[in-house]
Amino acid sequence: QVTLRESGPALVKPTQTLTLTCTFSGFSLTTTGMSVNWVRQTPGKALEWLALINWDDDKYYRASLKTRLTISKDTSKNQVVFTMTNMDTVDTGTYYCARTSRYYGSGSYFDNWGQGTLVTVSS
Amino acid sequence: EIVLTQSPATLSLSPGERATLSCRASQNVGTYLAWYQQRPGQAPRLLIYDASNRATGIPARFSGSGSGTDFTLTISSLEPEDFAVYYCQQRTNWPPGSFGPGTKVDIK
Repeated sequence: QVTLRESGPALVKPTQTLTLTCTFSGFSLTTTGMSVNWVRQTPGKALEWLALINWDDDKYYRASLKTRLTISKDTSKNQVVFTMTNMDTVDTGTYYCARTSRYYGSGSYFDNWGQGTLVTVSS
Repeated sequence: EIVLTQSPATLSLSPGERATLSCRASQNVGTYLAWYQQRPGQAPRLLIYDASNRATGIPARFSGSGSGTDFTLTISSLEPEDFAVYYCQQRTNWPPGSFGPGTKVDIK
């Protein structure tokens, strides 16, 4: 059974850095074709893909946010860490980690999701 | 950037009725389109991928069709647990792909 779980702060101040951890089980990020993604859901922009890290450590970021985002993995702990710098009130929303794999299409559909973590940006 | 438009924004139906949801892409996405269901307080769940393939464990009352720029998700007979928000997602330019704004199916 595949599970993913996000953890991190519920509240961050403007200009601060958000750090979220995705802890997963039921699959390995060393398996060819596996990726872990971060997707957010905000009132203004609905669902928005942010970043992904592949089994081979390739990383991709949303172009408009690239300078603010970092993603990394620790395969020994089955964890993916996501950071977003210079947080603003418009970044308030629910942040999900989600798996993509080659079980569905070519590996760009989100086949398993965490429950999400609500992040509020406020002073 | 490929923009997805979903219609209607809200669909009010009764249990047992048929639901037809539309997703339109601003450019040709072939069959590289998925549908997700999001119940209140839950994460999205993959229903349909590559336009017409049901994901594992998805009931047969859910079906997808279409190609190019026009796609449809059909729920043949609504069950109480089907009242939710439905999103389409295209992967033609993955990453990032893009999501539609959603269609809410609520109880009439």
